[in-house]
Amino acid sequence: AQSVTQPDIHITVSEGASLELRCNYSYGATPYLFWYVQSPGQGLQLLLKYFSGDTLVQGIKGFEAEFKRSQSSFNLRKPSVHWSDAAEYFCAGNNAGNMLTFGGGTRLMVKP
Amino acid sequence: EPEVTQTPSHQVTQMGQEVILRCVPISNHLYFYWYRQILGQKVEFLVSFYNNEISEKSEIFDDQFSVERPDGSNFTLKIRSTKLEDSAMYFCASIPTGVGTDTQYFGPGTRLTVL
Repeated sequence: AQSVTQPDIHITVSEGASLELRCNYSYGATPYLFWYVQSPGQGLQLLLKYFSGDTLVQGIKGFEAEFKRSQSSFNLRKPSVHWSDAAEYFCAGNNAGNMLTFGGGTRLMVKP
Repeated sequence: EPEVTQTPSHQVTQMGQEVILRCVPISNHLYFYWYRQILGQKVEFLVSFYNNEISEKSEIFDDQFSVERPDGSNFTLKIRSTKLEDSAMYFCASIPTGVGTDTQYFGPGTRLTVL
């Protein structure tokens, strides 16, 4: 069965520190992969997506993610976190169809 | 920038009542979706809709649920005879085409509380 897993439920980082949020996928073939962010009271906003080509993809708000086929991972990174990055982050995938399968989310807290 | 809108933002209903959640997708988009997120759980796919019919649905989307595009702009999710376990955040999304690489644009959600 297709699945997306985010091993970390909560992560706390200091403002200015680097960030890595983990995402693992299990699909029969390489899925299309997405990272979304949800701020309180807001909908899900796309940060970036991967479907082929360069395995390092750049997104909005200074985020990037690296697709690693050998590890079935698509981890999200940011070199320097800002307090406004505090939110919940969701990794999602699909293949063939457009139905998205979401991970459980990682809640990011940023310490001043 | 165009966005998906949803109304109401919060709906409270009594168990057994019918609710209709409304969405206005982005105007030139062709595929529409409903997802739900029960508190503390994953966002789950419910149904996709294209060309005035359901194209995919999950096992969650049983006879209690229905979707409709009653006019050129609205996309609705009806839940008949609500149950306590229907309490969740419901998200609408739309994409311009049916290509899997398309970005799904999500609305802000409707929080449904069933008492």
